Amino acid sequence: GDSVTQMEGPVTLSEEAFLTINCTYTATGYPSLFWYVQYPGEGLQLLLKATKADDKGSNKGFEATYRKETTSFHLEKGSVQVSDSAVYFCALTSPMDTGRRALTFGSGTRLQVQP
Amino acid sequence: DSGVTQTPKHLITATGQRVTLRCSPRSGDLSVYWYQQSLDQGLQFLIQYYNGEERAKGNILERFSAQQFPDLHSELNLSSLELGDSALYFCASSVGTGLRQPQHFGDGTRLSIL
Repeated sequence: GDSVTQMEGPVTLSEEAFLTINCTYTATGYPSLFWYVQYPGEGLQLLLKATKADDKGSNKGFEATYRKETTSFHLEKGSVQVSDSAVYFCALTSPMDTGRRALTFGSGTRLQVQP
Repeated sequence: DSGVTQTPKHLITATGQRVTLRCSPRSGDLSVYWYQQSLDQGLQFLIQYYNGEERAKGNILERFSAQQFPDLHSELNLSSLELGDSALYFCASSVGTGLRQPQHFGDGTRLSIL
């Protein structure tokens, strides 16, 4: 079945450092890929998405590129802020289950940004 | 604010009891999804409804059931509760069932079983 693998956290960075959170997936066909962020005590917020190969999703300084050849969707940000501290989830929806659009999530990566 | 409303925010109950979690989707969204988030299982899909009809089931226990009403709000019913059911339960909604449509999440209901 489909699966998403994320790098284990926590990832601890100093403010203004460069961020990369790795995400790879296993799925048949061309899934849609998403990054969600969960701030403490809150629900999941959609951060960005990409729906076909070589698409780049971007939002709030975060970027991720859909790489079909490496089945990856790594999240990057050039300069993190303390306010970016949260848990980040990589997820996909499969094209194989018509009408079933449940998200398959990775295990989440906690990011801690220190001043 | 995602526009998805979940009530209650917190629920504390005992083993063997039954609870109902409620979700109002974003205006215009026809699909509703329920997910369970726990420390050991991560985020797991439970069930999906589209315009009042069940569309897909995931790892939902037989003790759990759900429905989507004509006004599109949804309820998740959990019965014969066990300690292991303690988790954060999220509702999400999307416009339809398109592959590329993102899901928007509520803030969740935290269920604690004593």
